[in-house]
Amino acid sequence: EAGVTQSPTHLIKTRGQQVTLRCSPISGHTSVYWYQQALGLGLQFLLWYDEGEERNRGNFPPRFSGRQFPNYSSELNVNALELEDSALYLCATAPDDSTGELFFGEGSRLTVL
Amino acid sequence: AQSVTQLGSHVSVSEGALVLLRCNYSSSVPPYLFWYVQYPNQGLQLLLKYTSAATLVKGINGFEAEFKKSETSFHLTKPSAHMSDAAEYFCAVSDSRLGGSGNTGKLIFGQGTTLQVKP
Repeated sequence: EAGVTQSPTHLIKTRGQQVTLRCSPISGHTSVYWYQQALGLGLQFLLWYDEGEERNRGNFPPRFSGRQFPNYSSELNVNALELEDSALYLCATAPDDSTGELFFGEGSRLTVL
Repeated sequence: AQSVTQLGSHVSVSEGALVLLRCNYSSSVPPYLFWYVQYPNQGLQLLLKYTSAATLVKGINGFEAEFKKSETSFHLTKPSAHMSDAAEYFCAVSDSRLGGSGNTGKLIFGQGTTLQVKP
């Protein structure tokens, strides 16, 4: 069974640009979570999507946004990139009846120059 | 609000020695607690979880953790370290069963502990 897949794996952008990161969940998983793992800051909760709707978001500015598609895949968009947005962006998915286990992809490493 | 504190950002042990990674949590409700491991250039993988059943939880790769409510701790242990255990370990807390009513969708992670295993 395929795991959580994320694309692209690595990308480099410059300040002010926009980026879109993609996540495909494990088959049968309906919830998608996005986390930012920046150096020295640990894992910070970004967004949670379930059944196509945004259910909760972390303490991030509105330029961080996303969506979930009918097939439960998801996109994370970051506008007006800043240097401090450089991080590993991790997508995790879970089935509807999850007891808390999240299944993580390998992440998209974003470097902002 | 939930929070997690991992004591020690770096832990170094010799191969074959006991591994002890410390985690203390804060939660206003009975917590769900997790340990995840992250190998270099990979995502996170669940080691074990506590969801209010047995207080001693056994996970993969020989790891276990004990939930101690009186100490608000959930320390991770392994009797004998192996070189392949070198990784970053994250403790996490959730205030509810993910997917259940009242679920915030948040899994709050500690800052992580890097485990080094020396030959």
